Amino acid sequence: GAGVSQSPRYKVAKRGQDVALRCDPISGHVSLFWYQQALGQGPEFLTYFQNEAQLDKSGLPSDRFFAERPEGSVSTLKIQRTQQEDSAVYLCASSLDRVETQYFGPGTRLLVL
Amino acid sequence: ELKVEQNPLFLSMQEGKNYTIYCNYSTTSDRLYWYRQDPGKSLESLFVLLSNGAVKQEGRLMASLDTKARLSTLHITAAVHDLSATYFCALDGVWEGGNKLVFGAGTILRVKS
Repeated sequence: GAGVSQSPRYKVAKRGQDVALRCDPISGHVSLFWYQQALGQGPEFLTYFQNEAQLDKSGLPSDRFFAERPEGSVSTLKIQRTQQEDSAVYLCASSLDRVETQYFGPGTRLLVL
Repeated sequence: ELKVEQNPLFLSMQEGKNYTIYCNYSTTSDRLYWYRQDPGKSLESLFVLLSNGAVKQEGRLMASLDTKARLSTLHITAAVHDLSATYFCALDGVWEGGNKLVFGAGTILRVKS
């Protein structure tokens, strides 16, 4: 079946521009996670949804980062007024439930110039 | 502070040789995962280890967990070129009030012909 999909795969933004990154989880997966992966590093947790409820946003680095999942399926990660330090790969993962294995999407590679 | 440390961070090995990647962590956890990541690709789940003494094997890879020592290992037997990738261990549990995966920095494995 279809895995986790993300779009766009690549995004180049000028500093100060707003961006929106989309994640389509595996159908039926209740839990959805966003991670940020800097070059040469492991992914770092950003936020977690259970259905439409955002249960943990402790990893969001600043108030410029905002995530939503209004209908409990597709999720969007929005970054306002992008900065160069936001350049990274943004990974989305979904799982059947919180304690099940997380399946990762291909990621969105964001470059802020 | 939760820490997940992998070593080595880089491993260059000849085909046919054996080697072990180590993952040390600083606190108790519900489960431990091993993921593989190919360059420019997303993470692929290899193993999930749930209890002390757990051992899982798939092909030339074998993962084990010692919860008392807070140590997991990923053993590579008779390496082949196709195993070249970055390998991450990740700890799953509840920390700082939220459920999250915490990743190690990754081990870059290069298998030379």
